[in-house]
Amino acid sequence: EAQVTQNPRYLITVTGKKLTVTCSQNMNHEYMSWYRQDPGLGLRQIYYSMNVEVTDKGDVPEGYKVSRKEKRNFPLILESPSPNQTSLYFCASSTYPDPGKTQYFGPGTRLLVL
Amino acid sequence: AQKVTQAQTEISVVEKEDVTLDCVYETRDTTYYLFWYKQPPSGELVFLIRRNSFDEQNEISGRYSWNFQKSTSSFNFTITASQVVDSAVYFCALSRVTGGGNKLTFGTGTQLKVEL
Repeated sequence: EAQVTQNPRYLITVTGKKLTVTCSQNMNHEYMSWYRQDPGLGLRQIYYSMNVEVTDKGDVPEGYKVSRKEKRNFPLILESPSPNQTSLYFCASSTYPDPGKTQYFGPGTRLLVL
Repeated sequence: AQKVTQAQTEISVVEKEDVTLDCVYETRDTTYYLFWYKQPPSGELVFLIRRNSFDEQNEISGRYSWNFQKSTSSFNFTITASQVVDSAVYFCALSRVTGGGNKLTFGTGTQLKVEL
C-alpha cells in the first residue's frame, strides 16, 4: 500500500530537548516536504527536498533542520524545541518535478513543547 | 507571491442543506494547479480534487462539485445535501508549475459543521 508514515504520532517534550520526527514513503517519490499546521494559519511549508542530498527552506524554516540521505526518508529535526513550535506537523511526498501530481500526506504528528 | 484566501472561518448547516465553501487565490503565474483537501476530526489530510489552470470546466463528483472561474480567481467547492460525515476542515491550496518546488500554498481553512 502506497503511504507516507510519520513517527511519533504524538509527542510531548520540554523546551530545549532535541527531537526528531521521522518521515518515510514507499512510493519512490523524489519530492518530500514538511508542513506545520497552526490554527488560523493553515499549513505552511517548513523545508522541502527535491531529491537525495537536495534540500531547501520553505516559508518557516527557523528552528528546524532536515536531511535527505536516502530517497525514502526525510526526518525533521528540532535541535532546541521551543513552545512556539507546538503544532501539528505533516510530511508529504510526490513525484518531481510535477506540481500537478497529488501530494501524499502522512497522518500528522502532534507536538507539544512545554 | 502566491496567496490563497478562505474568508469563511466556520460554517454551520443542518443536514441536507447545500453549502458552498469559497476559495480566492492570487498568483502572477499563468499556469498553476488548484487543490481541495479535507481534514476530518481524525486529523489526516484527504485529497479531494486537483484542477489545472487551463481547465475551467466545472467538475461534479457525487455530492461534491467545484466551480473554477479564472476571471475572478476563484475555485469554490459545493456540497449538495450535506451529511454529518462532511463535518471537517476544508483547505484550498495552490501550486506553481515552475519555481515552486511542488510547494502547496494553503488557505487558512474553513471549518464545516453539519448538524442533524
